[in-house]
Amino acid sequence: AAGVIQSPRHLIKEKRETATLKCYPIPRHDTVYWYQQGPGQDPQFLISFYEKMQSDKGSIPDRFSAQQFSDYHSELNMSSLELGDSALYFCASSLARDLGTDTQYFGPGTRLTVL
Amino acid sequence: AQKVTQAQTEISVVEKEDVTLDCVYETRDTTYYLFWYKQPPSGELVFLIRRNSFDEQNEISGRYSWNFQKSTSSFNFTITASQVVDSAVYFCALSEAPGGGNKLTFGTGTQLKVEL
Repeated sequence: AAGVIQSPRHLIKEKRETATLKCYPIPRHDTVYWYQQGPGQDPQFLISFYEKMQSDKGSIPDRFSAQQFSDYHSELNMSSLELGDSALYFCASSLARDLGTDTQYFGPGTRLTVL
Repeated sequence: AQKVTQAQTEISVVEKEDVTLDCVYETRDTTYYLFWYKQPPSGELVFLIRRNSFDEQNEISGRYSWNFQKSTSSFNFTITASQVVDSAVYFCALSEAPGGGNKLTFGTGTQLKVEL
């Protein structure tokens, strides 16, 4: 079965640079979520989109922005990168309009390292 | 506010032992969902189970079983006859009623080490 695709898998940036992470949800899924997981920590919710509209927002820095496109893929844009942004970034998708199966399935993650 | 507590930071067992991972949650919602995810050393998050707040039936899937008790706000996970491949971090998570985009609140995870 098709899974969530994230690209790139690894990314190395310098401080103050920008980064763009991409997420391709499972086919037919209508909702995308972004999470950030620091070393040894649990995943922290950043933002979600349902049918291309922002649905929920967590502790996402103002330097970060995201959107969901017409084909349902999503991009997380990160600017003025800081050392503390180094983390594993997960995208998840779900079929929210089918309440009986609204389970979030996660992609493999993008490991961002800021030097 | 939602909260998930996994008091066990790390558990070490010998292969073939049974092990139970504890999860206690807090929520004001009357309808909510509970989840367990596995994060092996490779880093991905693997979905294991989802339980609705109105369904307190326990579930068994192979060597895995889950005990949901609303009265104690607990959703514990038992692995029977553990194997080395079970070594991973296990996260319990909670979400509000579905509706498109509701976040998961994770516990801090339990690192399970299964040794030969």
